[in-house]
This record gives sequence, structure tokens and C-alpha cells, in this order.
Amino acid sequence: AQSVAQPEDQVNVAEGNPLTVKCTYSVSGNPYLFWYVQYPNRGLQFLLKYITGDNLVKGSYGFEAEFNKSQTSFHLKKPSALVSDSALYFCAVSYQAGTALIFGKGTTLSVSS
Amino acid sequence: GAVVSQHPSWVICKSGTSVKIECRSLDFQATTMFWYRQFPKQSLMLMATSNEGSKATYEQGVEKDKFLINHASLTLSTLTVTSAHPEDSSFYICSARDREVKLFFGSGTQLSVL
Repeated sequence: AQSVAQPEDQVNVAEGNPLTVKCTYSVSGNPYLFWYVQYPNRGLQFLLKYITGDNLVKGSYGFEAEFNKSQTSFHLKKPSALVSDSALYFCAVSYQAGTALIFGKGTTLSVSS
Repeated sequence: GAVVSQHPSWVICKSGTSVKIECRSLDFQATTMFWYRQFPKQSLMLMATSNEGSKATYEQGVEKDKFLINHASLTLSTLTVTSAHPEDSSFYICSARDREVKLFFGSGTQLSVL
């Protein structure tokens, strides 16, 4: 069965420092991997996705993620965090293009000034 | 980019009443709609998948008679929560898939049942 794990409920970083939000997945075949951000009482905003190709994916707002097949991971990163990055981040996976996404439980990112 | 309009964004209703949530794809045809539910501080859980003109496919544990999904056109899908109860209070989000199999999310609907 397909699944996604986000091992951290919360990540705290200081503004200007690099941030990492972890995600590991389990899916048969080649995964389609996504990161979304959610602000309070709002829908999901797409950040980036990995389908195939280069393992390092660059997305919106300066975020990037690295696909690591051997570790089945897709960690979200940003070199320099902003206070405005504080939000709830979801990693998601699907096993086929356009199928429903399976979401991780989410990680709250808190960036302090 | 493609836009999915979901409304209402917030609704409060009395227990026992029904609530309809609409999800529209504004500039593309949505061949498939996914409906998710999110409890506070929890992940999004897939409720059902609907293809235009077909009956929705519900995930295990989701009552199809309670959560009625209609996908009558390529630009509109609706989720009706029938005889709502406080335990149905949740955040509901739709996701539309276009013909290029890209996914787009609505802004969500916060349902509060008193």
C-alpha cells in the first residue's frame, strides 16, 4: 500500500537559517511526489513535484526538494527561511499521474525572527 | 494558471440540515474530482473520487448516503453533507484533474455543525 511519512510534527528554525522538512514514502513502482503548503483556514498551495528526471526539484518561493530513491525520501529544503514561511507543509505521493494523492500528516514549520 | 473555485469557504449550519459545497474548474475541464476531508491538525483524507457523468467511488468508511457527490458536468462537482451532525464538522477540500492529468486544489470549505 502507498503511504507517506512525515516524522516531525513541528520544525522550528530561526529566520535566515536553512530549513528541512522531512518526508519518506512507500509506493510500488515509480512514485509521483509532491509538496504542498497550507496557511490557516486556507486550501493547499502547490510548491513542487517530482515525476522523473533530475533528483533536485526547484519549486515556488525558493523551496526545493531532493528525491532520494535509495532512502525513499523527498525532503523539502530552503537555504534561508523567512518568517512568512511559517505554515503547515504536506508531502504527498501518488503511484500514477493524475490519481488521488496520499498525504502525510503534515509538519508545522515555525520560523522565528 | 488553472483555478478551482470552491465555495462556500465557511459555513455554519444546524444539526440535521444539509449543506452543499461546490467546486468549479474555471478555465479547464475537470475530468475527475477528488474530495478530501481534513480534521484539525490532521492530514487530508480522501473521501471519494468522481468522474464526470459517473457515480462517485467512495473510500472505505465514507458513507455514500451521507456525503452525496455529483459531477454532472466537466466544470462542476458538488458535495452535499446530508443531515449534518457536529461530528461532520471539518475542512473539506476538492481537487480537480484536467485532461493533462494535472491536479488543482480548491481553497477549501470549513463546515461547522452546531
